[in-house]
Order: sequence, then structure tokens, then C-alpha cells
Amino acid sequence: QSALTQPASVSGSPGQSITISCTGTSSDIGGYNYVSWYQQHPGKAPKLMIYEVSNRPSGVSNRFSGSKSGNTASLTISGLQAEDEADYYCSSYTSSSTWVFGGGTKLTVL
Amino acid sequence: EVQLVESGGGLVKPGGSLRLSCAASGFTFSNAWMSWVRQAPGKGLEWVGRIKSKTDGGTTDYAAPVKGRFTISRDDSKNTLHLQMNSLKTEDTAVYYCTTEIVAALDVWGQGTTVTVSS
Repeated sequence: QSALTQPASVSGSPGQSITISCTGTSSDIGGYNYVSWYQQHPGKAPKLMIYEVSNRPSGVSNRFSGSKSGNTASLTISGLQAEDEADYYCSSYTSSSTWVFGGGTKLTVL
Repeated sequence: EVQLVESGGGLVKPGGSLRLSCAASGFTFSNAWMSWVRQAPGKGLEWVGRIKSKTDGGTTDYAAPVKGRFTISRDDSKNTLHLQMNSLKTEDTAVYYCTTEIVAALDVWGQGTTVTVSS
């Protein structure tokens, strides 16, 4: 199972919105509504931010939103804040009953 | 509060074995699917494998790079998850996290335990 494709880096200024894309295949993203997004600050464990494409766990800011079209999922962060600077990973359930991750995207808040 | 605490990491020689544990609290462990995820130094996340709840068959699934070398088990009486790693390779060097799969995602993560495979 190949990793999902994410941009290596994105950046934005405080208050702006950014979108991170995540491209897979019909065997993962395109075949299931089980796409999730994780935030990881340096030296910390990942944190679930979005599950089942667009659902937010309790306690996650509504500035974070997710969507999917075909084989590509997206994470949008609106009203960018300094604390949002982190690595972001997408993940999808696959036809092999496994989870596959994207390579990760480093978000820089300028 | 849901909490996962991994232990058992350390330095091991190539070809050696190591057993990781994950102590769970704050939720009904026996009902939860559980996964292991690893992260090599400076690299991204890699799913290792999962074990379903006994109610759902208690079966396991593994990622291709570890299939046949790693075994996931659970002790519901002790709320503990295990990862037995055999025939370790240098490329298995990573921080290993245990996670819950309560929703259709890896929802709660432990702090991780470091495994270094080196001669």
C-alpha cells in the first residue's frame, strides 16, 4: 500500500486560511469515508483533528474542517493562529483493512 | 480521562526481539480495537497493525513490512496491549505509539516508546 500524497509544506499568515490536500486512490480515499487528519507538534504524540472526512472530535476547534472529492481529501484551517504551526498527516482506511498515512505536511505560520 | 502509556522500548541488536506494552485506562479496553503506529526519526507516521476486540473476533491485521515478524496481542483482564517484535531490522528503529480505534480513526494516542535497532 503506497503512502498518500501530501504537499511537503504550506504556509500562511495569522488570520488567513490554508488548505492541505491528500491524494490517494480508489482503494483508500476514494473507496471509503474513513479519512482522518492528525496534528503533531515537535516531540509530541499526534492528535486526531478530523475523522470520517469531516467530523471533529470533542474539543477540536471549528476552525478545522475536512472534505473529500473523489480520491482527494482536504484539510482547511481558517483563522490561522501561531499555535497551529505543526506537522499534519492525513490517513485513510484501505481495501486491505489497514490504515495508510500521507507523508506529512509542515505548516508554517508566518 | 482516556490514557495510554507505552513501555518496553530500548536498544536491541539486529535480529533480536523486543516486547512493547501499552497500559490503558479511562475507557472500556475490552470493547476497543487497538493499533500500533510508528515513526522513524525525522520521518512520517506508519501504521503497524491492529487487534480487534474479542467481541469482534479478536483478529489482527498487519502492515506488509512487519507481517510475519510482529505479533499484536491483548490482555483484557489487565487492560494491556502488547507488541512482540522479532527478527528486528535497523529500519524498525522508531518511536512506537499505541492508539485506540474507537471511532473510525486512530483517536487517542499514547506518548510513545523508543525502539532503537543497532549493532
